[in-house]
Amino acid sequence: DPKIIQKPKYLVAVTGSEKILICEQYLGHNAMYWYRQSAKKPLEFMFSYSYQKLMDNQTASSRFQPQSSKKNHLDLQITALKPDDSATYFCASSQALGGYEQYFGPGTRLTVL
Amino acid sequence: GEQVEQLPSILRVQEGSSASINCTYENSASNYFPWYKQEPGENPKLIIDIRSNMERKQTQGLIVLLDKKAKRFSLHITDTQPGDSAMYFCAAITGGADRLTFGKGTQLIIQP
Repeated sequence: DPKIIQKPKYLVAVTGSEKILICEQYLGHNAMYWYRQSAKKPLEFMFSYSYQKLMDNQTASSRFQPQSSKKNHLDLQITALKPDDSATYFCASSQALGGYEQYFGPGTRLTVL
Repeated sequence: GEQVEQLPSILRVQEGSSASINCTYENSASNYFPWYKQEPGENPKLIIDIRSNMERKQTQGLIVLLDKKAKRFSLHITDTQPGDSAMYFCAAITGGADRLTFGKGTQLIIQP
């Protein structure tokens, strides 16, 4: 019974299009994160949220916009997609900020053609 | 910010022997150091962690050591089994927003 759900598992997009990656966690956690993993840059931090508020942003491009409609949701909207955006995007969550264990979701594998 | 260096990038060991992976970090304010195991096509899974108020932690065949003076931490897997073959990542957290900075990973290969 998965506690962190990411949808879709696989996603193919064309250059210039826009996609939304979905993340929901059922662990009762208050902090959520996005990470990205590609062959070029393994496991790279993107965003952290606490109680639905953005706490840290390591993504230089405004094309990446996290959206938190509920406490246990943190979606990632990516606009004007580029081939370089091809990667696996992992959502993670932790009980709270403050050095608690972070658990990763199954990931969304994005391919941009 | 933080930078984490991880070595070796590939580690081959005989089944039943021990495997050691080493990481160094730069920021003396880093206070939490988790280790993740990732199998092909899967998500990273937390296997053990250590906080800056500890020097050693052990659980189920895994030992983590932390040397704050040297800014170094390491993972030791005892009595390795084929199921231990995977990619292992070390990481460090600095600051209040809990940004995990990862090493580049170690591909552990257990040879029969």
